[in-house]
Amino acid sequence: RKEVEQDPGPFNVPEGATVAFNCTYSNSASQSFFWYRQDCRKEPKLLMSVYSSGNEDGRFTAQLNRASQYISLLIRDSKLSDSATYLCVVSAPSGNTPLVFGKGTRLSVIA
Amino acid sequence: ETGVTQSPTHLIKTRGQQVTLRCSSQSGHNTVSWYQQALGQGPQFIFQYYREEENGRGNFPPRFSGLQFPNYSSELNVNALELDDSALYLCASSLETAKYEQYFGPGTRLTVT
Repeated sequence: RKEVEQDPGPFNVPEGATVAFNCTYSNSASQSFFWYRQDCRKEPKLLMSVYSSGNEDGRFTAQLNRASQYISLLIRDSKLSDSATYLCVVSAPSGNTPLVFGKGTRLSVIA
Repeated sequence: ETGVTQSPTHLIKTRGQQVTLRCSSQSGHNTVSWYQQALGQGPQFIFQYYREEENGRGNFPPRFSGLQFPNYSSELNVNALELDDSALYLCASSLETAKYEQYFGPGTRLTVT
């Protein structure tokens, strides 16, 4: 099983739609979780951290389910500018690798 | 802007050659991590430097090596380049006390022919 797994997509949604991405991770000892956004041919940028109680930042909501080892990202009222690849990122508590990235889920928001 | 800079932006090399990539960390950040991102993949951790010493390494062969300088800038060196080394190389800086909050530079796109 891969350390961090995501559906690669693409998810093609109309403007204004709500879209959700899920991610599963294999290391139950992981403590920190993040969603990064990566635009085409650009560097990843931290979108939000994911907390156990769930957290919201404007149109974005992140949830963590430790028992099932999955993380979700919900985007409401999608904008054209939300089109990007969303990377699920998990800390690796053992060894020296600080962060493990998923392959990303590609989102295209269509007018 | 995160303040992390990388050079060069693009590079083309041939198999067997050696390459050096450079990174300047964000002001105040003392930890630098390097990642390799192949097309369609997520970034893969290569290694991390803190206080001029390697502070963690991913599953990459010894021909990938690095340095960190007293001003926290860093270099990634790759010897004996292979075609599969073609990728976007990303540098990320952070504080050692907040090593998971990483800020990425724009990357160097390396093509090996």
